[in-house]
Amino acid sequence: DAMVIQNPRYQVTQFGKPVTLSCSQTLNHNVMYWYQQKSSQAPKLLFHYYDKDFNNEADTPDNFQSRRPNTSFCFLDIRSPGLGDAAMYLCATSGRMARSYNEQFFGPGTRLTVL
Amino acid sequence: GDSVTQMEGPVTLSEEAFLTINCTYTATGYPSLFWYVQYPGEGLQLLLKATKADDKGSNKGFEATYRKETTSFHLEKGSVQVSDSAVYFCALSDIPVGSGAGSYQLTFGKGTKLSVIP
Repeated sequence: DAMVIQNPRYQVTQFGKPVTLSCSQTLNHNVMYWYQQKSSQAPKLLFHYYDKDFNNEADTPDNFQSRRPNTSFCFLDIRSPGLGDAAMYLCATSGRMARSYNEQFFGPGTRLTVL
Repeated sequence: GDSVTQMEGPVTLSEEAFLTINCTYTATGYPSLFWYVQYPGEGLQLLLKATKADDKGSNKGFEATYRKETTSFHLEKGSVQVSDSAVYFCALSDIPVGSGAGSYQLTFGKGTKLSVIP
């Protein structure tokens, strides 16, 4: 089945230690999104890629960066995690197909814990 | 700007009860409307959607009708099950963002937690 995969599902890091979360997709979608979701809140968009074009939300901290080496993969890098960065990180995709051009498909998420 | 308002939770129902979760929206254009469901510890799954006025989205016994005149997209289910316990998010997709015409931002409501007890 075509899907969005996130690894790892659970990640523990230490305060200030860089961490990378990964997302891959088999949907061949051209747009990939990263969201941060804190407990009992709605997901908050951090940034997205339209093909290779990177689009950062205005209030996304500089501590968060992203890479998209090819259509299938996208990475979220947190350079110096703080306690406030503990959250669920969700990857999503959307595609050019007419039926689903504005529908986003989500992965299962990575739960990040910062010690 | 766009916004989505959905009823505050948590909502607790007995099995086989009728469910309504209210959702209203504000948008500048002609948005598509969605309901996403999030089970504990999981990502979001699309439950149903509607792309134009008077469309009815339905899936797994859940329904919602796009009402442009009342700017609403209320979620309903006639008989809930314990397995329906989850957080439900109403969302809209309207204005393209970023450099690509095909990248649309989702605006979410705050979510409504549903607990169904046997």
